[in-house]
Amino acid sequence: GESVGLHLPTLSVQEGDNSIINCAYSNSASDYFIWYKQESGKGPQFIIDIRSNMDKRQGQRVTVLLNKTVKHLSLQIAATQPGDSAVYFCAENVSFKAAGNKLTFGGGTRVLVKP
Amino acid sequence: EAGVAQSPRYKIIEKRQSVAFWCNPISGHATLYWYQQILGQGPKLLIQFQNNGVVDDSQLPKDRFSAERLKGVDSTLKIQPAKLEDSAVYLCASSTERSSYNEQFFGPGTRLTVL
Repeated sequence: GESVGLHLPTLSVQEGDNSIINCAYSNSASDYFIWYKQESGKGPQFIIDIRSNMDKRQGQRVTVLLNKTVKHLSLQIAATQPGDSAVYFCAENVSFKAAGNKLTFGGGTRVLVKP
Repeated sequence: EAGVAQSPRYKIIEKRQSVAFWCNPISGHATLYWYQQILGQGPKLLIQFQNNGVVDDSQLPKDRFSAERLKGVDSTLKIQPAKLEDSAVYLCASSTERSSYNEQFFGPGTRLTVL
């Protein structure tokens, strides 16, 4: 299949290990932060989100941490599996009363899971 | 529940030609987005519709790009004339409302190559 991105930062992880993907954001007015997974030839798929007044949220095998002091977001994937191989994007959402919501995506990280 | 549908999946044209992409959002989703994703980058919002009205088109290159959503359901994005730098994946997404944050669901995208 086609590659989502050829020059992205890459994280290589052994199957079964934990993965940590980091993201820096810029807008202090962002009210939600979202992690997306994108496989080759597909659109981004929602993984988990976190509201700006929280610092941690857990899902199935995933945890998102938010540090507003340093404007940093991370995604932790527990027991990484081959199906987790993809490009991961963080996105920040800003809500406007008149103009709705606007998502701004970061640059993405490629995760390669080694068997 | 059917996802966001897009067509065509791939398109190859020569520069200065015209091209159009079609999107059918998830049934009942009032808000529709078009994104441009250049290889190796995160998606960038081009235009956002609420029903058949434009909410945000601030990043749409209006000299060559146009989009419409006449009946508040399907949408088309057109490029006329295309330039080499328009080569990208064009993603359509939809969500249930615009007044607060709601998950955006993405289609598979249309990969455009301009020669």
